[in-house]
Amino acid sequence: KAGVTQTPRYLIKTRGQQVTLSCSPISGHRSVSWYQQTPGQGLQFLFEYFSETQRNKGNFPGRFSGRQFSNSRSEMNVSTLELGDSALYLCASKGGRAGDTQYFGPGTRLTVL
Amino acid sequence: AQSVTQLGSHVSVSEGALVLLRCNYSSSVPPYLFWYVQYPNQGLQLLLKYTSAATLVKGINGFEAEFKKSETSFHLTKPSAHMSDAAEYFCAVSLKAAGNKLTFGGGTRVLVKP
Repeated sequence: KAGVTQTPRYLIKTRGQQVTLSCSPISGHRSVSWYQQTPGQGLQFLFEYFSETQRNKGNFPGRFSGRQFSNSRSEMNVSTLELGDSALYLCASKGGRAGDTQYFGPGTRLTVL
Repeated sequence: AQSVTQLGSHVSVSEGALVLLRCNYSSSVPPYLFWYVQYPNQGLQLLLKYTSAATLVKGINGFEAEFKKSETSFHLTKPSAHMSDAAEYFCAVSLKAAGNKLTFGGGTRVLVKP
């Protein structure tokens, strides 16, 4: 099976712009979660989508949003970018049961100038 | 709410020596526990996980971890370090009641000396 894929791998944006990141889960996985990784805050949960519905949400401002399509692919959008949004954004997919392993993609490295 | 503490942000070991990475969790109910490894410029790769079966869990690359409920710990060990073990390691917990999101520890960066 192909793993989780994320596009693009690298992005450079300027403050005030918006950005969309994409994630394709492992075939058959309906749950997709997004995490932000920064040197200062570590790995933090953004949100989870399951069958096109947001099932769980972390403590991030409303500038961070996401969606999931019927084929389970997911996108994450960040509007009005701030310098502090520079991070590695990781997507993870898993099956539908509690305790199922989350499999991570390689991440998208976002740099905000 | 669950939380995870990894003792030591950096660990240095000699090649062939024991690797011991400490993880303590806080949870009011039995959690699911995971260890992930991250190599530079890559995502997270699962090493092993505990889901209430055997308390001693064996993972990939010779790693294992023991769940100790009384100590709320899930320490990761490998008997003999290899140069390829140099990476950052993350302990994580998830709870069904919390929507199965992963809560991560701060990570431990392992340096392997020849």
